[in-house]
Amino acid sequence: AQSVSQHNHHVILSEAASLELGCNYSYGGTVNLFWYVQYPGQHLQLLLKYFSGDPLVKGIKGFEAEFIKSKFSFNLRKPSVQWSDTAEYFCAVNEENTGFQKLVFGTGTRLLVSP
Amino acid sequence: DTGVSQDPRHKITKRGQNVTFRCDPISEHNRLYWYRQTLGQGPEFLTYFQNEAQLEKSRLLSDRFSAERPKGSFSTLEIQRTEQGDSAMYLCASSLVRLETQYFGPGTRLLVL
Repeated sequence: AQSVSQHNHHVILSEAASLELGCNYSYGGTVNLFWYVQYPGQHLQLLLKYFSGDPLVKGIKGFEAEFIKSKFSFNLRKPSVQWSDTAEYFCAVNEENTGFQKLVFGTGTRLLVSP
Repeated sequence: DTGVSQDPRHKITKRGQNVTFRCDPISEHNRLYWYRQTLGQGPEFLTYFQNEAQLEKSRLLSDRFSAERPKGSFSTLEIQRTEQGDSAMYLCASSLVRLETQYFGPGTRLLVL
């Protein structure tokens, strides 16, 4: 069965620090990849997505992610975080053998940015 | 607001009672998904609809759970004879076509006492 691993459960950074959150998935076939963010008290929002093409994708609020197929990874990055980036971040995958229907999520990474 | 809406936002019930949640997807989105999220976990897929047809159900969806989407618009998720283990956030999402992004609603937080 498909699984998604987010190895960092909690991350604490100071403002202006660089961020990288890891995401690895287990399916070897064609996948679509997503990062969702949940700000305190708000619902899940799409940060960025990869379907095909350039493996470096840019999302909202200065976030980007790189799809490395050989490593089954889709790490999220931001060069300089802000206090407003405090949130929980979820990596998610859907795969070809389930018709790209259901999303499989990682357990999430809670990011706290201190001012 | 034209996003996905869910009602109620919070529900407290006693064990053994039935509860029903409603989801209104983004207008014209023909796919609707239900997920469940427990503390410290990411959302887990429960079921999805294309228009009014329920096309897949997870093994997480026991016989006590039933979902409907009459007329292919809003959807309801009913839990019969609730158990304490049903306490979770129930999330609804919708998408326009098969490969498109799923947009999530605010969720219904269920607490079973």
